Amino acid sequence: QVQLQESGPGLVRPGGTLSLTCTVSGGSISSINWWTWVRQPPGKGLEWIGEISHSGKTDYNPSLRSRVNISVDRSKNLFSLEMTSVTAADTAMYYCVKMSSGWTGFDFWGQGTLVTVSS
Amino acid sequence: DIQMTQSPSSLSASVGDRVTITCRASQAMGMYLHWFQQKPGKAPKLLINGASSLQSGVPSRFSGSGIGTDFTLTISSLQPEDFAIYYCQQTYSTPYTFGQGTRLEIK
Repeated sequence: QVQLQESGPGLVRPGGTLSLTCTVSGGSISSINWWTWVRQPPGKGLEWIGEISHSGKTDYNPSLRSRVNISVDRSKNLFSLEMTSVTAADTAMYYCVKMSSGWTGFDFWGQGTLVTVSS
Repeated sequence: DIQMTQSPSSLSASVGDRVTITCRASQAMGMYLHWFQQKPGKAPKLLINGASSLQSGVPSRFSGSGIGTDFTLTISSLQPEDFAIYYCQQTYSTPYTFGQGTRLEIK
């Protein structure tokens, strides 16, 4: 059973860079999956940020593409999210998620980590 | 982008009721439609994938149907633990998009 665990700073200054990692256990990050980030502002709905495939191909939400980078560290079995030039609008719960295929959907989620953008 | 519209946005129901939540997509997307349940302070939980495939461990009172642009999630007999927010989501094309959510409350 795959498990995902997010980690990173809970507070980021406006204009700074948000950096989160997602450690994968119970499976290899090189297996055929898409590793994904989703966020949820407090009291609001879910937004797909982007994904990285098992082969390293990335795809991002056009609304965030200019500020986001997702990468994989196969030696540590984790993947990461970097978001630059953050504002208060980026305050949200950030989830890392595994998608086995477009048909299976987002089948495993981390517990989420709250990131607040504030000075 | 494919826009996902859920209705209703909120719903009050009683234990034992049958409820249906609808999700409409702005363009046809086959059956790449999934349903999630989210409880306060928790990550969303995948209930149904591929429009109608029940995830392992999900009670059989949950069911999904639909194809193309119109989809439904039905709970045949509400239980106390079913009161939550439900989201639909498409993975037909990126950017993957979610419905705005349906809050299911106790009447």
